[in-house]
Amino acid sequence: QKEVEQNSGPLSVPEGAIASLNCTYSDRGSQSFFWYRQYSGKSPELIMFIYSNGDKEDGRFTAQLNKASQYVSLLIRDSQPSDSATYLCASPVGNTPLVFGKGTRLSVIA
Amino acid sequence: DTGVSQDPRHKITKRGQNVTFRCDPISEHNRLYWYRQTLGQGPEFLTYFQNEAQLEKSRLLSDRFSAERPKGSFSTLEIQRTEQGDSAMYLCASSLAGPGDRGYTFGSGTRLTVV
Repeated sequence: QKEVEQNSGPLSVPEGAIASLNCTYSDRGSQSFFWYRQYSGKSPELIMFIYSNGDKEDGRFTAQLNKASQYVSLLIRDSQPSDSATYLCASPVGNTPLVFGKGTRLSVIA
Repeated sequence: DTGVSQDPRHKITKRGQNVTFRCDPISEHNRLYWYRQTLGQGPEFLTYFQNEAQLEKSRLLSDRFSAERPKGSFSTLEIQRTEQGDSAMYLCASSLAGPGDRGYTFGSGTRLTVV
């Protein structure tokens, strides 16, 4: 089992809808989780991080963490075409500072 | 703060040649990371430094790969005897201590094509 797993998509949502992106992880010792956005041909940029169980909101983005289920998600409210990108989930695993999932490609249809 | 700089942006090389990439981190960042990314995959960890000390190397990093950060500032990644499978985007990132609440800042990457 890969250490950080994501559905590669593509996930298509209409403009204005909520996009839900999911990530599971195998290391129960993982304490921190990061979501990065990567536009085609560009490098990843940090959107959010979460350390504690529950929800963390930042503007249109909400990160949700459930350590018991080893599950972290990212919700994007009022999705815009400019949100179309690949979303990467990442977490430190053992001595590796950040292990990334494969990413989920999101397409927001106008 | 000019961000993380990587040079060159693109490199085309013949199989068997050696290549070297450079990364200049954000000046106050003491950690520097190298990742490799291929199409459709997430970034794959290669190695990282805290100041000039190389703290961790991926098992995937063959002995053809070597990285240095001689004065704790810029870093170089060298690939010897390149193979076609080395074709990828090589990403450098930097941070202050651990990821903390700022995470990594990535550079624009060096795209390597081995022909």
